[in-house]
Amino acid sequence: DVKVTQSSRYLVKRTGEKVFLECVQDMDHENMFWYRQDPGLGLRLIYFSYDVKMKEKGDIPEGYSVSREKKERFSLILESASTNQTSMYLCALGGGYNEQFFGPGTRLTVL
Amino acid sequence: GENVEQHPSTLSVQEGDSAVIKCTYSDSASNYFPWYKQELGKGPQLIIDIRSNVGEKKDQRIAVTLNKTAKHFSLHITETQPEDSAVYFCADLSNFGNEKLTFGTGTRLTIIP
Repeated sequence: DVKVTQSSRYLVKRTGEKVFLECVQDMDHENMFWYRQDPGLGLRLIYFSYDVKMKEKGDIPEGYSVSREKKERFSLILESASTNQTSMYLCALGGGYNEQFFGPGTRLTVL
Repeated sequence: GENVEQHPSTLSVQEGDSAVIKCTYSDSASNYFPWYKQELGKGPQLIIDIRSNVGEKKDQRIAVTLNKTAKHFSLHITETQPEDSAVYFCADLSNFGNEKLTFGTGTRLTIIP
């Protein structure tokens, strides 16, 4: 079975804090994705990576950055968290014509 | 960019009845259309998909239909059961060499016992 692990299920941070969300896979897959999920807006792509140190902006990259130093790990960074970044964050791998495998999500609250 | 519209946003169905969720897309180059199911507390999971060279695909109680001319596709669930209660997302993939899906806004399906 594919395993996509996200570092936290729930996270509470304060405005202005630097936040790291980590995603780890055990599939040796090239493609990894970060989405945010908000009610009524569906899944929106923040960033994706198609290989180590390679990244591409998604539809809503503003306020976020990513890091992929090793193939199995893809990190989402909020440089200075704001209340409008309160959301559910989902990591996924796969893509294209193949199934995307999602992690369980991290519910981030920024106070 | 690509836009995928999904309707309805919420749907309540009596157990045993059928449920239909519809999506329309804007990019005529789209050629792959998966459906994902998200249960409470979990990430979305692929339940069925269809490619543009096929008009319909069925897997037990679920089926997907595609109308490329009208740019819409639908998910059909027959003989609904309580475990079908979840949020469903449609998505599409453009064939312009990228690996990115564009997702719809989701439908919360509730099966009433």
